[in-house]
Amino acid sequence: QKEVEQNSGPLSVPEGAIASLNCTYSDRGSQSFFWYRQYSGKSPELIMFIYSNGDKEDGRFTAQLNKASQYVSLLIRDSQPSDSATYLCAVPLYSNFGNEKLTFGTGTRLTIIP
Amino acid sequence: EADIYQTPRYLVIGTGKKITLECSQTMGHDKMYWYQQDPGMELHLIHYSYGVNSTEKGDLSSESTVSRIRTEHFPLTLESARPSHTSQYLCASSELFGDQPQHFGDGTRLSIL
Repeated sequence: QKEVEQNSGPLSVPEGAIASLNCTYSDRGSQSFFWYRQYSGKSPELIMFIYSNGDKEDGRFTAQLNKASQYVSLLIRDSQPSDSATYLCAVPLYSNFGNEKLTFGTGTRLTIIP
Repeated sequence: EADIYQTPRYLVIGTGKKITLECSQTMGHDKMYWYQQDPGMELHLIHYSYGVNSTEKGDLSSESTVSRIRTEHFPLTLESARPSHTSQYLCASSELFGDQPQHFGDGTRLSIL
């Protein structure tokens, strides 16, 4: 089992619909969670972070965190063609020595269909 | 706003050459990272550093080496480039304490002929 797991996709969503991206993680000690967007040929860009259980909204983006079930999700409302990208989930995982290492999932490729 | 710079952006070079990819950040971040990523594939951590004179190998074995003599500078070196080194190399940095996000540079796309 991977430490941070995402469906690789591709996930196709009609323009204007809600895109839902999911991520599960293995370390119950993780306290913060990050979503990055990566356009083809570009570097990852931080778009959302969440520290507490529940929802966090920022414009068309909502991050949802459920620590008991160890999953974090990203919802994109009113999807636009410009949202077509790969979305990476990143979670700090802790080694036996207590050092945290930000671990990235493999990413979900999202395509918004006009 | 993250300020992390990578040079060159693109490099096409012949087999056997020594290459240094530069990465600098102006945020005073202690942690710095190098990732390798092939098109459409996942990120692979190849080196990281938690501060000056600290370097560690990442999850993916790499023939490259790194150094951290100054906080702001984290260069990656390939002593003898091979076609298998063709890839995109991404540098990132983050603050030392707490669960902080990483901020990425624009990357260097390396092609070895």
